[in-house]
Amino acid sequence: DGGITQSPKYLFRKEGQNVTLSCEQNLNHDAMYWYRQDPGQGLRLIYYSQIVNDFQKGDIAEGYSVSREKKESFPLTVTSAQKNPTAFYLCASSADLTRLMNTEAFFGQGTRLTVV
Amino acid sequence: KQEVTQIPAALSVPEGENLVLNCSFTDSAIYNLQWFRQDPGKGLTSLLLIQSSQREQTSGRLNASLDKSSGRSTLYIAASQPGDSATYLCAVTGRRALTFGSGTRLQVQP
Repeated sequence: DGGITQSPKYLFRKEGQNVTLSCEQNLNHDAMYWYRQDPGQGLRLIYYSQIVNDFQKGDIAEGYSVSREKKESFPLTVTSAQKNPTAFYLCASSADLTRLMNTEAFFGQGTRLTVV
Repeated sequence: KQEVTQIPAALSVPEGENLVLNCSFTDSAIYNLQWFRQDPGKGLTSLLLIQSSQREQTSGRLNASLDKSSGRSTLYIAASQPGDSATYLCAVTGRRALTFGSGTRLQVQP
């Protein structure tokens, strides 16, 4: 099946620890994104990448880091510097943003991160 | 900075009603607008994509319109069913990434 796979579905982190959330896509999409969702709110952009080995900060990048070594993979690390990491994290992908057509975005099923 | 607003925040209707969800955005320089559905604790499912050059898109009982010049979109759901209960999110795609509204939480009563 083509799509986006996020793992794990649930993740628990102790204060002071770094954790990495996985996102893999087999849609051959160039662009990938990470969003954070808090209860009752919309999605806020953390990082995005339009091409391998390049990524840009979104609106709430502080305390997070990413890498894009492969087209298929865009892992997100939540560092100890993130003061309030408990949230639902969503990964998405789409065709190259510089194209004017066919930029439909597809989302994974999310990872729920809880600090204990 | 792009801002997306969705009205109403919540809506409860009896089964069978036709309903309209509203979305507005501040910057008309967009590539497209997407409507998504989100069930509790789940990811987002794409419902409809409207390119910036289009006025509307239809899929089954769903119809979405786009007026880019006024920064507005509507999602029309015909003959609502209890299975339509979910949160509906609209998002606009600019040069950077998708910008989302806060969603409309829909409850369809049987």
